[in-house]
Amino acid sequence: DVKVTQSSRYLVKRTGEKVFLECVQDMDHENMFWYRQDPGLGLRLIYFSYDVKMKEKGDIPEGYSVSREKKERFSLILESASTNQTSMYLCASSSSRDRGLGGYTFGSGTRLTVV
Amino acid sequence: SQQGEEDPQALSIQEGENATMNCSYKTSINNLQWYRQNSGRGLVHLILIRSNEREKHSGRLRVTLDTSKKSSSLLITASRAADTASYFCATDWSNYGQNFVFGPGTRLSVLP
Repeated sequence: DVKVTQSSRYLVKRTGEKVFLECVQDMDHENMFWYRQDPGLGLRLIYFSYDVKMKEKGDIPEGYSVSREKKERFSLILESASTNQTSMYLCASSSSRDRGLGGYTFGSGTRLTVV
Repeated sequence: SQQGEEDPQALSIQEGENATMNCSYKTSINNLQWYRQNSGRGLVHLILIRSNEREKHSGRLRVTLDTSKKSSSLLITASRAADTASYFCATDWSNYGQNFVFGPGTRLSVLP
């Protein structure tokens, strides 16, 4: 009954590599989000999308880009991975039709280590 | 910033005791939600309270909201070791579920 799926639980990449984190939801949600979570800093919004091909910057978009070519898929791209991007990355989705009352549904997270 | 702030940052109690966590925020909201996160996993939605509600119950969870003080509390009664997790409040000031802002969380440890 998995509803938001993140492609990898753990990922190790080298500095300078281009990294793709994939997120797929099966709830027909309009909104999708990428957060990173670091100890003591809580969840910080990187990017979100409220429709196909639409994207909005969050609080910390630098060094990241996103792609939403299909409604169910939202990809986070690290153009050139750096060690300070080592973090837990969380994808979430929500419906606009219920005006957010259903809350966010999160994936299990991807723990990325950049070496 | 809209960000909610949970208090305390960490809480340690014995099994069977009640756990209370608080959340404060800065601007008007449409609703406030509480989430739970087990170590190394994603967040799970627990309960939502709308801005025109004062109290909500779900099983062993009780949430209150005081919009005049811009604060909410989450009470877990008769805690269990399995309740050990981090708890986050999230405030929503939009009408479209697009702008939740999460606080830094409270780390709850329930000791057997």
